Amino acid sequence: DAKTTQPDSMESTEGETVHLPCSHATISGNEYIYWYRQVPLQGPEYVTHGLQQNTTNSMAFLAIASDRKSSTLILPHVSLRDAAVYHCILRVDQTGFASALTFGSGTKVIPCLP
Amino acid sequence: ETAVFQTPNYHVTQVGNEVSFNCKQTLGHDTMYWYKQDSKKLLKIMFSYNNKQLIVNETVPRRFSPQSSDKAHLNLRIKSVEPEDSAVYLCASRDRYEQYFGPGTRLTVL
Repeated sequence: DAKTTQPDSMESTEGETVHLPCSHATISGNEYIYWYRQVPLQGPEYVTHGLQQNTTNSMAFLAIASDRKSSTLILPHVSLRDAAVYHCILRVDQTGFASALTFGSGTKVIPCLP
Repeated sequence: ETAVFQTPNYHVTQVGNEVSFNCKQTLGHDTMYWYKQDSKKLLKIMFSYNNKQLIVNETVPRRFSPQSSDKAHLNLRIKSVEPEDSAVYLCASRDRYEQYFGPGTRLTVL
């Protein structure tokens, strides 16, 4: 899987929208962009994923650049419950061992009180 | 809602001892994994188990061995632990798009 680059941390204020960037300049055409998050003392949790089109669900909005070399996870109205490390990874849709995840250090989000 | 269960939550042991960690998933998935997460939160695959087929990451030391009685259970045994085995061990199962993780077992080797 191709490598991704994320900032170590992102400042945020409760109630505001947070934009988490991810750079993946060497992404292949068949690689999906996945986001997971992890809070302390828990296992990672799936957030969202996309291939080319922007996607949205109850947790976040994923904006994918037209050349697919970068993406942004957008957390609307962030709250203290969104405090976590967010991981951006690339995966090919395969089964078994080939679908295993590899995390880097991710982006730490700790919303501050307004 | 927890669907991947791991026991124990924590385990402290001494170098050379044997430990076993349990994992059970109630999602009906066919594929399960064991990952190791180090202190920098880097996640690395150790084993994958799918339809009775075990795939091993070749970088995993031989003292680690997975054990499965059925597709809902995938346990991890470590024979003769070493200090570098201190980490969080995460079990996961997957459907087509998502992986579902357990809370992890935190191993400390003294």
